[in-house]
Amino acid sequence: GAGVSQSPRYKVAKRGQDVALRCDPISGHVSLFWYQQALGQGPEFLTYFQNEAQLDKSGLPSDRFFAERPEGSVSTLKIQRTQQEDSAVYLCASSSYRDSLTDTQYFGPGTRLTVL
Amino acid sequence: GDSVTQMEGPVTLSEEAFLTINCTYTATGYPSLFWYVQYPGEGLQLLLKATKADDKGSNKGFEATYRKETTSFHLEKGSVQVSDSAVYFCALIGTPRTGGFKTIFGAGTRLFVKA
Repeated sequence: GAGVSQSPRYKVAKRGQDVALRCDPISGHVSLFWYQQALGQGPEFLTYFQNEAQLDKSGLPSDRFFAERPEGSVSTLKIQRTQQEDSAVYLCASSSYRDSLTDTQYFGPGTRLTVL
Repeated sequence: GDSVTQMEGPVTLSEEAFLTINCTYTATGYPSLFWYVQYPGEGLQLLLKATKADDKGSNKGFEATYRKETTSFHLEKGSVQVSDSAVYFCALIGTPRTGGFKTIFGAGTRLFVKA
């Protein structure tokens, strides 16, 4: 496709369930970012991949959060034992990294996670 | 750590009014600065950026100048339209050596433009 896609678009989980959120970046994009956006707030950085290498995971809020990008394209964000405070929109963005980190990030539509 | 502070909204203007949305930042080193926009029902998209001091980013009639001396990157537009109604986010990326690979976003400012 032409843009970044994410699935599912909406996810409802019971507290304690595990969830997996998928991101399909723009083909050929080297950089991939995950963000968490609470209602009425700006996106908060979670983690960054350059190809398959996870170069920065300093924003992951706890060890219940795990991200991977095994072949350097599709990425999955997994949240184990979900808690109510995990309810948010999870955004994925990719960029070409032709020059630097300042290359334009293209955002997906997000996955809205609601934990009951 | 690095941070971005932008004016709280909502901001309500009449069509053709002048717009300023203030943004200030705190960062180690020399960050790059961005404005992103989120139109109703759409995803975040880059509006403009500036990568070094005194650079001016511009797009769609919007402008922002990277002011290192005041650590600011205020967004301006001379004449807003109803179609500019959206949420605007100021953001920065530091250098990997000092700030890792994070993009730091402000809380967003919602703009309503009335016809």
